[in-house]
Amino acid sequence: GAVVSQHPSWVICKSGTSVKIECRSLDFQATTMFWYRQFPKQSLMLMATSNEGSKATYEQGVEKDKFLINHASLTLSTLTVTSAHPEDSSFYICSASIAGTSTWGEQFFGPGTRLTVL
Amino acid sequence: KQEVTQIPAALSVPEGENLVLNCSFTDSAIYNLQWFRQDPGKGLTSLLLIQSSQREQTSGRLNASLDKSSGRSTLYIAASQPGDSATYLCAVRLTQGAQKLVFGQGTRLTINP
Repeated sequence: GAVVSQHPSWVICKSGTSVKIECRSLDFQATTMFWYRQFPKQSLMLMATSNEGSKATYEQGVEKDKFLINHASLTLSTLTVTSAHPEDSSFYICSASIAGTSTWGEQFFGPGTRLTVL
Repeated sequence: KQEVTQIPAALSVPEGENLVLNCSFTDSAIYNLQWFRQDPGKGLTSLLLIQSSQREQTSGRLNASLDKSSGRSTLYIAASQPGDSATYLCAVRLTQGAQKLVFGQGTRLTINP
């Protein structure tokens, strides 16, 4: 149980285009989803936290107009990188959590999406 | 601001050795601490989760300890195998009211056959 999927697993796009990444909880309902970014040989940095049906909360330094997050249902969150540039190339990982379990708020991670902007 | 540090950044040992990975955090007000494994280009696999009230957790050849007052955790790997080669990340959850995880930089472990 507690499986999280991401699609696509990798994407290559031209500079200036927008890219959408999906994060799905397959066998549970996720009250909260998180988006992380990981640059090569660095750790995960939280970008934003989203709760179903409400606006995402962005971490300091993350441009909310560039990284659009939609959490329209309890099993799906999307991250759209708008007007992507080469510096946005990174590994994007989502996680999802449910409340009220024995390991309260434990986050289950997706397999990640590798974005390369040319 | 919570900061998580992992030492060493990289470790290479021969197969069969027992080894210890270290994680330290600056603010002891944590809800829990979690160890993850990450293979190159892949997502995270949760290894062990220790609640703030616990001292250790064990799973197979892995044992994680937590000393909240001193801000330290260790991950002990017994009888290491080449398949254990990966990057190991520790992360702390700050408070019960917030689900944020703060990650360390990771330890890149290589087990040589």
